Amino acid sequence: GAVVSQHPSWVICKSGTSVKIECRSLDFQATTMFWYRQFPKQSLMLMATSNEGSKATYEQGVEKDKFLINHASLTLSTLTVTSAHPEDSSFYICSALRRAEVKNIQYFGAGTRLSVL
Amino acid sequence: DAKTTQPNSMESNEEEPVHLPCNHSTISGTDYIHWYRQLPSQGPEYVIHGLTSNVNNRMASLAIAEDRKSSTLILHRATLRDAAVYYCILRDNNDMRFGAGTRLTVKP
Repeated sequence: GAVVSQHPSWVICKSGTSVKIECRSLDFQATTMFWYRQFPKQSLMLMATSNEGSKATYEQGVEKDKFLINHASLTLSTLTVTSAHPEDSSFYICSALRRAEVKNIQYFGAGTRLSVL
Repeated sequence: DAKTTQPNSMESNEEEPVHLPCNHSTISGTDYIHWYRQLPSQGPEYVIHGLTSNVNNRMASLAIAEDRKSSTLILHRATLRDAAVYYCILRDNNDMRFGAGTRLTVKP
């Protein structure tokens, strides 16, 4: 099966610092990766879509300068939360679309729980 | 993605079948019906998808209405590990957006 690894699974940081979250497709090449955010008791909210080698497309209301996304290779995308504040505390989840995936199935990472003090 | 409507929550007894409904009256001809589920504190996982015909896999069955305006995810024998939020999503080639889903509780 297709596996997406997300690291770290849990991070605590001080307000004002930056945090980087990695998302890797372990056994397939991902043409497109997605980043979601999920607050407690709520559904997943799409933050941005990134294609390998090009700039990410951000959803309305998501600050691109605060949530930096890099998709440098077909197996790795990173999300950097810059100058994190307590309101950025959330569950961040990535997913990947496999290259030549005709079924259009997205494979999800296990998520990263970010707590900003 | 076109909008879907699901009940907020459902309960089931262990070892019994569960039918999770989804309405998608504005579905277009090219939209596939996807089901994902999210176990507590985990990322979503793919369950099943279909276009027009009913589908079966090792996890579940998907029954699609003839007019495609509704579908039902069927878990044939619910286990405690099936307790999760189940999302019904319509998509063509675009990104995936989640609705509120149905929170399934399985009672022993």
